[in-house]
Amino acid sequence: DAGVIQSPRHEVTEMGQEVTLRCKPISGHNSLFWYRQTMMRGLELLIYFNNNVPIDDSGMPEDRFSAKMPNASFSTLKIQPSEPRDSAVYFCASSPEGGPGANVLTFGAGSRLTVL
Amino acid sequence: GQNIDQPTEMTATEGAIVQINCTYQTSGFNGLFWYQQHAGEAPTFLSYNVLDGLEEKGRFSSFLSRSKGYSYLLLKELQMKDSASYLCADEGAGSYQLTFGKGTKLSVIP
Repeated sequence: DAGVIQSPRHEVTEMGQEVTLRCKPISGHNSLFWYRQTMMRGLELLIYFNNNVPIDDSGMPEDRFSAKMPNASFSTLKIQPSEPRDSAVYFCASSPEGGPGANVLTFGAGSRLTVL
Repeated sequence: GQNIDQPTEMTATEGAIVQINCTYQTSGFNGLFWYQQHAGEAPTFLSYNVLDGLEEKGRFSSFLSRSKGYSYLLLKELQMKDSASYLCADEGAGSYQLTFGKGTKLSVIP
């Protein structure tokens, strides 16, 4: 298995531009998570999908952020419009069907976003 | 579980033993994970504790005390490649989502 695949690996954009980050989870994993990591705040959960359905999006910072999972093999995280404070590494992770201890997350390599 | 607390940085000598502590809120708690993250890379799973006691896995061991809201990760026979950040994460009961601490950056020196 190729693991969790994220793209792009690096993105530099200007304030106000739209950013779309993509993720392909491990085949057969039913749960998908988007996390954001910064030095100041550490690793924060943004949104969690189970069987393609958003379960908890309480971590999404504001309306500028949106996430979709149209099928079991693809998810996107969109920021529109982007702001410098959105600069961070965005990780996608997947795990098998939920339940205690099932949260052995496999993380993608991350997308490093810089908003100028 | 929220308010996960772990030291920001630690330094230890190659070949030595180091213990990284983590405390968390006991309400709404199901289990405790440890992840390792090398600089510029993704976190990778190390261990999961749900029962009290010590779980040993090679050079790494993890301990949990549910009543005290306390866990530690023990690394033995330290190697230079163990230099990384170690993230403690608690698993919420019911939702089974993970909440991560900010991580402990471990530097192993010769």
